[in-house]
Amino acid sequence: GAVVSQHPSRVICKSGTSVKIECRSLDFQATTMFWYRQFPKKSLMLMATSNEGSKATYEQGVEKDKFLINHASLTLSTLTVTSAHPEDSSFYICSAGGNPRYNEQFFGPGTRLTVL
Amino acid sequence: DAKTTQPPSMDCAEGRAANLPCNHSTISGNEYVYWYRQIHSQGPQYIIHGLKNNETNEMASLIITEDRKSSTLILPHATLRDTAVYYCIVKSGQAGTALIFGKGTTLSVSS
Repeated sequence: GAVVSQHPSRVICKSGTSVKIECRSLDFQATTMFWYRQFPKKSLMLMATSNEGSKATYEQGVEKDKFLINHASLTLSTLTVTSAHPEDSSFYICSAGGNPRYNEQFFGPGTRLTVL
Repeated sequence: DAKTTQPPSMDCAEGRAANLPCNHSTISGNEYVYWYRQIHSQGPQYIIHGLKNNETNEMASLIITEDRKSSTLILPHATLRDTAVYYCIVKSGQAGTALIFGKGTTLSVSS
C-alpha cells in the first residue's frame, strides 16, 4: 500500500500559540486528504476534507478559523491549530485518498498535540 | 450515524482464527465494506475491502453474506501483534469520500 507521513509526531506547546502539522503522501498523488482527531479511548472523528487547490470542507462543529487546512499540492496538506488551548490537546491523524489507482485511503501515523 | 454494528470487544487465543462480525443492514448497492485496524497510538491500517464477493489478501479474509447485510473479517492465525481496535466501515467506492469511523471492536489476543 501507499505511505503517508506526518510531522511532527509529537508536539507540546503553550496556550495561545499556533501549531502546524504536515501530512505527506510519499509515493502517490492524493487529490483528497482528510483530517481526523481522536480523544483518548474514543474513535476517530472526521474534521475536514480537503481537495488539492481548493478550500477545505469542514464537518459540523469544527471551527474553520481555528483549524486552518491547506492542500497546496497533490502530496502535501497542512493543518494549523491557531491559538491553541488545552482542550485542543488530541491525537490528529491525516489520511490520503482520491487516487484512482487505490480504492482505499491510507493513514498517517498521527500527531500527538499537547497544549499546556 | 453509525452504519455498522460491531461487538465492543472480543478475545482470541494466539494461533487461533479470529472471526470479527459486522452488521450493515442498510448498506447501499454502491457501498463497499472496508476494514481497518488501529493499534494503540498509531494511525489506522488498511486491512481489506469488498463489494459483494469474498476477498482474501495476505492479512485477512473478508466474507460478505449474499444479501450483503453482514460480513465477517477473519484473521486466520491471530498473533499478539493483532491486538487492536478493528473498524468495519461502509462507504461508496468514490475515491474522494471520507471514512466515517464507528466504535469498532477491540480484539485482544492472548497467549
